[in-house]
Amino acid sequence: GENVEQHPSTLSVQEGDSAVIKCTYSDSASNYFPWYKQELGKRPQLIIDIRSNVGEKKDQRIAVTLNKTAKHFSLHITETQPEDSAVYFCAGDKLIFGTGTRLQVFP
Amino acid sequence: DAGVIQSPRHEVTEMGQEVTLRCKPISGHDYLFWYRQTMMRGLELLIYFNNNVPIDDSGMPEDRFSAKMPNASFSTLKIQPSEPRDSAVYFCASSFLGIRNTGELFFGEGSRLTVL
Repeated sequence: GENVEQHPSTLSVQEGDSAVIKCTYSDSASNYFPWYKQELGKRPQLIIDIRSNVGEKKDQRIAVTLNKTAKHFSLHITETQPEDSAVYFCAGDKLIFGTGTRLQVFP
Repeated sequence: DAGVIQSPRHEVTEMGQEVTLRCKPISGHDYLFWYRQTMMRGLELLIYFNNNVPIDDSGMPEDRFSAKMPNASFSTLKIQPSEPRDSAVYFCASSFLGIRNTGELFFGEGSRLTVL
């Protein structure tokens, strides 16, 4: 079945720096890759997604890149702010989630 | 729409007791998912339904777990008998598009289960 691996498990950055989280997947037929953000004690919420017909998608300070050949996709957050602190999950299109990355942004 | 509604929000029970978690998906969504979240295992997909029919229950841990969706607006996840290792947050989510052509998953606020 589908397997999604996510790295790193924790990430600490200074406010204003960039953060990158990477996921690899096993099913070469996958064509939809969402990213969810979960703040402490809250529900996961979709922040950005990408389909396999594009290589990159941006939404203000966040972007996702996809490399279908290598079967990996990454979340990029630029100019990080303390409110970006949360757990971020990637998923494949069978809605199997990665193990999550806890991002801490220090002021 | 009020979003996905789950109940109870918190449940504390003793080992061996039956636990029933409930979910009302967003009206018009034809996919419903149950996830379990723990620190060790992250978000695990337990089962999902399409048009009230269970499609994939391969994530259900064992026979103590069962899920039903008697109609488009209601689903239950039952654990009988419960064990301490079942302690987790259980999320229900619904979407308009499902596997392989997926749109946004809308999660409920979760049911935090503690089994003593």
